[in-house]
Amino acid sequence: GAGVSQTPSNKVTEKGKYVELRCDPISGHTALYWYRQSLGQGPEFLIYFQGTGAADDSGLPNDRFFAVRPEGSVSTLKIQRTERGDSAVYLCASSLGGAGGYEQYFGPGTRLTVT
Amino acid sequence: KQEVTQIPAALSVPEGENLVLNCSFTDSAIYNLQWFRQDPGKGLTSLLLIQSSQREQTSGRLNASLDKSSGRSTLYIAASQPGDSATYLCAVRDDYKLSFGAGTTVTVRA
Repeated sequence: GAGVSQTPSNKVTEKGKYVELRCDPISGHTALYWYRQSLGQGPEFLIYFQGTGAADDSGLPNDRFFAVRPEGSVSTLKIQRTERGDSAVYLCASSLGGAGGYEQYFGPGTRLTVT
Repeated sequence: KQEVTQIPAALSVPEGENLVLNCSFTDSAIYNLQWFRQDPGKGLTSLLLIQSSQREQTSGRLNASLDKSSGRSTLYIAASQPGDSATYLCAVRDDYKLSFGAGTTVTVRA
């Protein structure tokens, strides 16, 4: 079956602009996660959705970052007033359930470059 | 806060040699541990997942062990090949989120 997909694969934007990154999880997966990977580092947790609600958004770096999942499937990560420090690969993952030992499946990521 | 460390940060071996990659974590209250492979500019490919109740998992030339009480996992890759060159990341799951190490970058020389 289809895996997790993310669009766009690459996004170049100017400092101060607004961007949206989209994630399509595996069908039937109720849990969805966003991570951010900076160059040379491992991914860092941003936000976790169980269904439509954000169960934990403690990893969002500041209030310029916001994510939604209105129908419990597709999610959009929104970044306002982008800064050069936001440049990174944004990874989305989904799993059958949230809490517990469910395996997370990752998408290919969106590489964001802020110039 | 969970801290995950991977040693060494980089490793270069001749083809055919066995690889040993180490991962340590500070909080043993985990649900599982996953090893991933990442090629340059690409996403994460899951290699092995070990549930907290398990001691090891094997897949082909890969074997991963887990010692939860001491906060350690080791990934063994037998008879390395140039195609094994990549960055290997370990991640531990506490409740719902994964905490990742920075990875070990492996180069297998032909």
